[in-house]
Amino acid sequence: QSVLTQPPSASGTPGQRVTISCSGSSSNVGSKYVYWYQQFPGTAPKLLIYTNNQRPSGVPDRFSGSKSGTSASLAISGLRSEDEADYYCAAWDDSLSGQVFGGGTKVTVL
Amino acid sequence: EVQLVESGGGLVKPGGSLRLSCAASGFTFSTYSMNWVRQAPGKGLEWVSSISSSSSYIYYADSVKGRFTISRDNAKNSLYLQMNSLRAEDTAVYYCARDLGRIVGNAEFDYWGQGTLVTVSS
Repeated sequence: QSVLTQPPSASGTPGQRVTISCSGSSSNVGSKYVYWYQQFPGTAPKLLIYTNNQRPSGVPDRFSGSKSGTSASLAISGLRSEDEADYYCAAWDDSLSGQVFGGGTKVTVL
Repeated sequence: EVQLVESGGGLVKPGGSLRLSCAASGFTFSTYSMNWVRQAPGKGLEWVSSISSSSSYIYYADSVKGRFTISRDNAKNSLYLQMNSLRAEDTAVYYCARDLGRIVGNAEFDYWGQGTLVTVSS
């Protein structure tokens, strides 16, 4: 059981908007920044969103992040086939003194 | 170009030991905190351990505390993970990841290695 809770799957047709939720607690999401990682099968994760809502250079602006209280979300607008991947939220947890990840959400483009 | 290259994975029997290495290049290794993150087959990401730039601060996940030891050699630009008393549930791909350290008290893994597979089985 992951400390951060994500839906196991999400899907949409090309062009649609998909949103992934990430629920935590006051010791992690509620008091720390949230980060999102994208992972394709057989490859290492890649930083997608940092400090709740910032995109590293090279990440399309179709990806956006937000946070409110102890929950965060990742939105993919204008869904494309190449967005099919696993997405993980993460945050530092002060109570555990460690990084915690969500269980991951598999995005499927129908 | 930042590169992180893990090595040392392999097949080990339950109760055995293994030492993973991560060779870093393309950046000033001694100024960054580093981490190990693992991923069991078909499962999600699990943070394992982190070590600050000068090794002053070290943290472990409860699942490995007392069995794994993280260390680094800044002169050799290398990160290590000594794994003892290995269990079947430690089977995973182990990634080393750099913490950009943009904001104190948060962890941001901006570069990852390709991973090394550890299989614990009799």
